[in-house]
Formats: sequence, C-alpha cells, structure tokens
Amino acid sequence: AQSVAQPEDQVNVAEGNPLTVKCTYSVSGNPYLFWYVQYPNRGLQFLLKYITGDNLVKGSYGFEAEFNKSQTSFHLKKPSALVSDSALYFCAVSVMDTGRRALTFGSGTRLQVQP
Amino acid sequence: DVKVTQSSRYLVKRTGEKVFLECVQDMDHENMFWYRQDPGLGLRLIYFSYDVKMKEKGDIPEGYSVSREKKERFSLILESASTNQTSMYLCASSLTSGGRETQYFGPGTRLLVL
Repeated sequence: AQSVAQPEDQVNVAEGNPLTVKCTYSVSGNPYLFWYVQYPNRGLQFLLKYITGDNLVKGSYGFEAEFNKSQTSFHLKKPSALVSDSALYFCAVSVMDTGRRALTFGSGTRLQVQP
Repeated sequence: DVKVTQSSRYLVKRTGEKVFLECVQDMDHENMFWYRQDPGLGLRLIYFSYDVKMKEKGDIPEGYSVSREKKERFSLILESASTNQTSMYLCASSLTSGGRETQYFGPGTRLLVL
C-alpha cells in the first residue's frame, strides 16, 4: 500500500522568509510525487511534480521541491514567502505505471504567511 | 487550459434522499475521479473511471455509486444520503491512466446532509 505523511498541520512563516512544507511517502516501487495547493472554497491546483531525472523540481508561483530517495521525502520550498501563498497544501504520490491508478494524498498542511 | 466543472458548489439534502453530483471535463481525458475531502483526512478516493462505462472502486466506495455514459461526464450518486456523507466532494480528470499524469480538479461541491 502507498501512503503519504504531512507531519505538520500548520506552518507559520513571516512574509519574505523562506518556507518549507514537509512530505514523506511510502510506496513499493518508484514514486511519482505531486504537490497541489487549495485556496479557500476552491478546488486543488497543480503546483509541481517529480517523475524522473533532476531531484530538484521547479513549479508554479516560485515553488520548488526536492526529491530525496534515501529519506523518502519530497519537501516543498520557496525562498521568499508571500501573504498570497497562504493556503492548504497537499502532497500526493502514485507508483510508476503499475497498480493503483489514482493518487494517494496526505492530510494537508495549512500555510499561514504573516505580513 | 483544462476545465473541470461540477454541477453545484453547495448542496443541502435530507437523510435518505438520492443525490447526484455531476462532473464534466472538456479536454477529452480518459480518466476521471471522485474524491471526498474532510479536515485532517486529506482527499480520499471514492471511485474512478478509466473509460466510458468502466469504473473501479477507490478507498471508500461504500454508500456511493458512479456512472460514466459519456467520456466527458462522470456522475457520483449517493443512493440514500446519510449525515456522515456531509463533506466536500472533488472531481478530477487526467489524460491517461499512467501514474505520472497530472490530475486536474474541479471547484468542488460542498454537500450538507441534514
């Protein structure tokens, strides 16, 4: 079975400071990893994904994430947070082209950026 | 841009009612998904469909059924709504069935069952 853990329910950061939202995963096989963001009363928007290749993935709105196979992690980062980044962030995993076709999501982390 | 639309943003139903949630995508995607979102639980897969008239159960299919008669439309049916089905329901679609494909989400339907 595949699973995703987001150990922090909420992350607070001051505007202009770097931010990190943590994600670890457990799968049998090689993972595909995703980050999505949800603004209030909206659906999920795709931010970035890791498929293969370079472990550092760059995505929308200045976000990036680093795939670390030895630590089974895929933390989301941004060098300088904006108040408008405040939202709910979800990490998700699927397995490379076999088995379960759908994503398994973490429980979500609420990011609060203070002005 | 991919567009996934859901028929209602908010619904209020009574216990025992039959409820239909509709989802339409405009990008000729093969796969469509229904999730429910609850605080602290993230998104949980109810059902998905990888082709017209084809479906597979997800993690929490009990109390739900689905219908996919046309490629662009995927319906979620609550045969007899119960209060524990009060939730946010999200529909998604992806181009093909490979795990690498990005899923695109609709805006969600917030369902309240009284």
